[in-house]
Amino acid sequence: VLTQSPATLSLSPGERATLSCRASQNVATYLAWYQQKAGQAPRLLISEASTRATGIPTRFSGSGSGTDFTLTISSLEPEDFAVYFCHQRSDWPYTFGQGSKLEI
Amino acid sequence: QVQMQESGPGLVKPSETLSLTCTVSGDSIDSKIHYWTWIRQVPGKGLEWIGYIHYSGGTYYNPSLESRVSMSRDMSKNEFSLQLSSVTAADTAVYYCARDGLTTYAFDIWGHGTMVIVSS
Repeated sequence: VLTQSPATLSLSPGERATLSCRASQNVATYLAWYQQKAGQAPRLLISEASTRATGIPTRFSGSGSGTDFTLTISSLEPEDFAVYFCHQRSDWPYTFGQGSKLEI
Repeated sequence: QVQMQESGPGLVKPSETLSLTCTVSGDSIDSKIHYWTWIRQVPGKGLEWIGYIHYSGGTYYNPSLESRVSMSRDMSKNEFSLQLSSVTAADTAVYYCARDGLTTYAFDIWGHGTMVIVSS
């Protein structure tokens, strides 16, 4: 089970966002982060806990291993306000967190 | 540029079988470094991994759905399909196909998703 916190984070453009994902058991670094905007499919941001996907801005960074993971957005842009999901692929079946909504 | 597109009925009656197809362009479903995956999302809720099919035709399904799920592929059309039997209202969701990168350990390409409503 992946538990994300906070459920909702209210910030302003230019601020730093920190989102957390906690796994109920060790997933090593088999953790990814996705961004989902309303009416769109999720988009891969980070894989293997800290590897930015192709084309993802450097303001997005991931860290952590084992059971505790963090997605950090260093300076929020207007287009960053969305829902963020973590996903583990260490164990079957693959699972996702319930999501964290980043709102203005 | 890899693109994936889901297609299929948007309305399915309870107890019937939901059938969706994902057409892939820009990559081959014969690829040995990708699994071809279905994921669903109840509106306003989280994501649920349904299962995958890979180049050899092998499949792996979420145990929670395994008794009702079947996946297949058509190499000549470069597409793969999902069938979910005995559907109920709980199966109403947006269904996504996605590419699972075995080297990226993540779903790196997604279709736009298709909404399927289960209702009589």
